Amino acid sequence: GAVVSQHPSWVICKSGTSVKIECRSLDFQATTMFWYRQFPKQSLMLMATSNEGSKATYEQGVEKDKFLINHASLTLSTLTVTSAHPEDSSFYICSARVGTSGRTIYEQYFGPGTRLTVT
Amino acid sequence: RKEVEQDPGPFNVPEGATVAFNCTYSNSASQSFFWYRQDCRKEPKLLMSVYSSGNEDGRFTAQLNRASQYISLLIRDSKLSDSATYLCVVNRGGSSNTGKLIFGQGTTLQVKP
Repeated sequence: GAVVSQHPSWVICKSGTSVKIECRSLDFQATTMFWYRQFPKQSLMLMATSNEGSKATYEQGVEKDKFLINHASLTLSTLTVTSAHPEDSSFYICSARVGTSGRTIYEQYFGPGTRLTVT
Repeated sequence: RKEVEQDPGPFNVPEGATVAFNCTYSNSASQSFFWYRQDCRKEPKLLMSVYSSGNEDGRFTAQLNRASQYISLLIRDSKLSDSATYLCVVNRGGSSNTGKLIFGQGTTLQVKP
């Protein structure tokens, strides 16, 4: 399957600081990447859809000024958590969509996730 | 009501058992369906896509019933390594299919020796 990497795998930061998470598709080009958040014992919740060369589309209730997304190339999307607070502590996972024109099934492959702890 | 619903379990089964998970979805416009597997503190990994005609991959069989809007996953001859959370995932589809996936909360499987 397609390989997606994320960096860093875990990070601890102080309240008020910003944290940048990188998501890379290693062996394919991804015009669309997705950012999710998962709290303990809960399912993945989509935060935003990141499209290469255009603005991200945020889900309802997700603050776009707090979670900055940049998708500058076909293999890299970044999520910056600005002015992080303890309630932002979570498991952040990106995914990249693999699909060819004419198909209606779009399989997504996930990065290994970034565990963020804000103290 | 959640858009994708699963019984969270846990399902505790002995090695070698056959176990089935069901999942229901509420949006009739949903087009694509998947089962993902997630191990503790890890990312989800695609187990299999679910096709209308049903499909099988080794010990795993997936079925889709569009009329009743449910998806199933059958695991035969369970192995200890099958212990994980199984996520039912649906792509909403629609005219502007962005590939957005909706996740169920997952069903936890524990296979005991």
